[in-house]
Amino acid sequence: DAGITQSPRHKVTETGTPVTLRCHQTENHRYMYWYRQDPGHGLRLIHYSYGVKDTDKGEVSDGYSVSRSKTEDFLLTLESATSSQTSVYFCAISETGSPGELFFGEGSRLTVL
Amino acid sequence: SQQGEEDPQALSIQEGENATMNCSYKTSINNLQWYRQNSGRGLVHLILIRSNEREKHSGRLRVTLDTSKKSSSLLITASRAADTASYFCATAQTGANNLFFGTGTRLTVIP
Repeated sequence: DAGITQSPRHKVTETGTPVTLRCHQTENHRYMYWYRQDPGHGLRLIHYSYGVKDTDKGEVSDGYSVSRSKTEDFLLTLESATSSQTSVYFCAISETGSPGELFFGEGSRLTVL
Repeated sequence: SQQGEEDPQALSIQEGENATMNCSYKTSINNLQWYRQNSGRGLVHLILIRSNEREKHSGRLRVTLDTSKKSSSLLITASRAADTASYFCATAQTGANNLFFGTGTRLTVIP
């Protein structure tokens, strides 16, 4: 199994509070992604990174920011959480762009009350 | 939407039967991939088929790709109860650095 760790795995928070989700990889892959999964929508890309300090927006980036200061870590921040951001968040990594095969973490379930 | 669409949304079969899931997409692609997700878990890559390939096999999996119809199918032969999961197609669109996922097919294999 690819070495991808997401933390926290579960979090309950209140509307308006900041939240940071962490993705840590031990594979030294260049590309890292944050997706959210919601019923009826499948997986939707929030942000992705193609290198240290190189990031780009996905299709549902509003309300989210990311940072990648090291190859192994990709942080997703909700500056002020809203109930619409209640979701399961998945981190994924890929060795190549285009992209090739993605390896996924186990997910972080976030509930915003 | 840039997502692919899977059909059917849900499928229930008896153990030993074959399961076929279909995926349609809208834009030109570099490759198309299929993933599996067990309940409460992350997605696991099953197979990748490139835009210049028409068919690919991996164990009990057979994937076809018809770029003229912008569609793909995943066939699981001799299904097992352990194949119960959700299956997603994902497209690597030309010029993009990410995958676009469909909404998935929920497969239930009855022992």
